[in-house]
Amino acid sequence: AQSVTQPDIHITVSEGASLELRCNYSYGATPYLFWYVQSPGQGLQLLLKYFSGDTLVQGIKGFEAEFKRSQSSFNLRKPSVHWSDAAEYFCAVARPYNTDKLIFGTGTRLQVFP
Amino acid sequence: EAGVAQSPRYKIIEKRQSVAFWCNPISGHATLYWYQQILGQGPKLLIQFQNNGVVDDSQLPKDRFSAERLKGVDSTLKIQPAKLEDSAVYLCASTITPGAGNEQFFGPGTRLTVL
Repeated sequence: AQSVTQPDIHITVSEGASLELRCNYSYGATPYLFWYVQSPGQGLQLLLKYFSGDTLVQGIKGFEAEFKRSQSSFNLRKPSVHWSDAAEYFCAVARPYNTDKLIFGTGTRLQVFP
Repeated sequence: EAGVAQSPRYKIIEKRQSVAFWCNPISGHATLYWYQQILGQGPKLLIQFQNNGVVDDSQLPKDRFSAERLKGVDSTLKIQPAKLEDSAVYLCASTITPGAGNEQFFGPGTRLTVL
């Protein structure tokens, strides 16, 4: 069965600092991988996704993620965090060609200090 | 383009009462999903509709939860009777058609508190 692990429940960074949020997945093959962001009172918004090809994926709001097959990881990064990035971030996986069935991780709450 | 609309945004009820949530997907989106997001967890799919037919309701607790999408547009999710463990945010999402690469667009959710 597919599963997603986000080992960090809560991360705090200073504004302007770099950010890396970790995501590990369990799946027999390479799944489709997603990062979503959820701001307070808002629905989930897709930041980026990986299906195949270049393992470094660029997304919206200056985020990027790198797929590492050997580590079963898909970590999210941003070189310089803004206060508006404070939110909850969810990693999700789906079977290839079946993106209906999203399996979400438990999320990482990001707090940004000025 | 209007997003996915949900109402109410908040609901507080006593256990054993009933409650209903409404979702209006993005215009033209054939596929609609209901997710349950318990505090501290990621969203979990409850049910998926394709037009007005159910595609997957394997995770829906059918003894108390029901959902319908009669005209293939709006959808209603009902809980009757509610239990304490049903306290969660209920998210609705939609996509044009199911399948590879099509993004699911999420509504703001309805936060349910069962006392």
